[in-house]
Amino acid sequence: GESVGLHLPTLSVQEGDNSIINCAYSNSASDYFIWYKQESGKGPQFIIDIRSNMDKRQGQRVTVLLNKTVKHLSLQIAATQPGDSAVYFCAELEYGNKLVFGAGTILRVKS
Amino acid sequence: DAGVIQSPRHEVTEMGQEVTLRCKPISGHDYLFWYRQTMMRGLELLIYFNNNVPIDDSGMPEDRFSAKMPNASFSTLKIQPSEPRDSAVYFCASSFARLGSGETQYFGPGTRLLVL
Repeated sequence: GESVGLHLPTLSVQEGDNSIINCAYSNSASDYFIWYKQESGKGPQFIIDIRSNMDKRQGQRVTVLLNKTVKHLSLQIAATQPGDSAVYFCAELEYGNKLVFGAGTILRVKS
Repeated sequence: DAGVIQSPRHEVTEMGQEVTLRCKPISGHDYLFWYRQTMMRGLELLIYFNNNVPIDDSGMPEDRFSAKMPNASFSTLKIQPSEPRDSAVYFCASSFARLGSGETQYFGPGTRLLVL
């Protein structure tokens, strides 16, 4: 995952547009990845996951893409809605049950 | 199901005091995780249990932190003595099976701790 800091990147999109949130992971041996959504005052909520033997996985309005060559993940949200406004985290499963989280990206949806 | 339950939701204490955070996992879940979230370090795994047994505590910052799981429906995270740098949001999460097996983990609402 990304190194953490005081300032999270912010993505602002217009309601109805598609959103793409990116994440770089650090461990080339990681074989399982998860995207979480965290709304203000709440715990992270599972969105979608993908294994390293896949390049793409689709859910309801969301798609995760995995590029193992450059150790990059992306989350695509179709027809972004105001309720999608939150902080989005990618996480990689390093070993055992240890998830390592990225720093997060703030998604703001403008109506 | 009520989901993962954490208490208290907010805690303000003074440096040097003992703090105990509590968690009730989802019934039937065999794994329980404690995480800490700060702006500086993000979301970090502190410790996790499988069937009430601590498996990996490598993320526990120092001896001031301890965690227990006396039974399948209850866990505590204790900080003694607390320091201002312990101020953070502490999350508990549980899962039915090990991560990556097709099961996901569910997070509680967190305990926001402020140590003055």
